[in-house]
Amino acid sequence: KQEVTQIPAALSVPEGENLVLNCSFTDSAIYNLQWFRQDPGKGLTSLLLIQSSQREQTSGRLNASLDKSSGRSTLYIAASQPGDSATYLCADPGGSQGNLIFGKGTKLSVKP
Amino acid sequence: DAGVTQSPTHLIKTRGQHVTLRCSPISGHKSVSWYQQVLGQGPQFIFQYYEKEERGRGNFPDRFSARQFPNYSSELNVNALLLGDSALYLCASSLEGLTNQPQHFGDGTRLSIL
Repeated sequence: KQEVTQIPAALSVPEGENLVLNCSFTDSAIYNLQWFRQDPGKGLTSLLLIQSSQREQTSGRLNASLDKSSGRSTLYIAASQPGDSATYLCADPGGSQGNLIFGKGTKLSVKP
Repeated sequence: DAGVTQSPTHLIKTRGQHVTLRCSPISGHKSVSWYQQVLGQGPQFIFQYYEKEERGRGNFPDRFSARQFPNYSSELNVNALLLGDSALYLCASSLEGLTNQPQHFGDGTRLSIL
């Protein structure tokens, strides 16, 4: 059974700080990994999808990396802003039914 | 273009009742998946449909059922509701439900069971 783990469960940083969110996975044949943002009580907003052949993917202040050999992905957020406060989830599409397997998320709080 | 739309946004039911949740995928997307997210957890897979056929099913009881219509919209039905069914139900769509295609989620339906 494939698993996805996100540590820490919560993170609080001052505005302007650069930060890294971590995602670990057991799927050694991972094809890609998708990062999502979830605001309280809302659905998921897709941030980045990084293919296993790409190693890195960038969108604005966000940069995601994927290291298949170590079973890790990171989401780097540059110059954090209070509007970045949300829960960030990573997901592996390697479920046995072709489904996404999610971590529990990291709740990020950026203080003004 | 409209994203994935779900209705209703909130729903309150009592134990033993049944509920129908609805989802319209992004235009051009033929695959729809349903997920259940309880507070503090990541979403858990319930169903995936592609071209009106069930492609996958998660570890949920038979009280949960779904279908996809010719216009690719989908319904999730839950019978004999239990308190533990209280959750955010998320619908996701993708072009063909393939692994290399990103999934796009709606805002969900918040279901509360009293």
